[in-house]
Amino acid sequence: DAGVTQSPTHLIKTRGQQVTLRCSPKSGHDTVSWYQQALGQGPQFIFQYYEEEERQRGNFPDRFSGHQFPNYSSELNVNALLLGDSALYLCASSSLAGESGDTQYFGPGTRLTVL
Amino acid sequence: QQQVKQSPQSLIVQKGGISIINCAYENTAFDYFPWYQQFPGKGPALLIAIRPDVSEKKEGRFTISFNKSAKQFSLHIMDSQPGDSATYFCAPRGSWGKLQFGAGTQVVVTP
Repeated sequence: DAGVTQSPTHLIKTRGQQVTLRCSPKSGHDTVSWYQQALGQGPQFIFQYYEEEERQRGNFPDRFSGHQFPNYSSELNVNALLLGDSALYLCASSSLAGESGDTQYFGPGTRLTVL
Repeated sequence: QQQVKQSPQSLIVQKGGISIINCAYENTAFDYFPWYQQFPGKGPALLIAIRPDVSEKKEGRFTISFNKSAKQFSLHIMDSQPGDSATYFCAPRGSWGKLQFGAGTQVVVTP
């Protein structure tokens, strides 16, 4: 079992650019959540996808958008990048089915640096 | 509104000692109370979790104590080892599985 995978590992962008981050959930999981973790802080919930739809959203602007594909993988898009968007972006997958219930398992994250 | 308050911010413990981290919350709708462990450059990993109908859960050297009336829960690490040096987060779960993370506690275990 490969667990949750994310790509790329690191990314450097300049202000105003757009970025797409990718996530493949753990095998058997159908729900993907995205979190932003600024340096030295706890992760902050961005949004969650289930059945290819955004089910819940945290306190993030519309510049942050996402998508879930039929194979349950997901993308996070950020437009008009700001310096403050520099952070570790974490993807977590879960499923109500299975022994683990809806425990969220995190990937290693994508480190985004905005210059 | 800070819904989850975690303390202390950091702690240093000698090998073999006990580490205690506390988490206080405000949202009574939280239904699941996990602790995550995070090493530098890695994503958080579930360490141990408790449901609100139980007051204590032990897994190996790790114990969660849960006080529903006080809206607090804590993590106890017994016989701390250098490999336990990491950042620990409480992350109670709200609606649709949204985790509300605390600010984190950096634990350093000295040899």
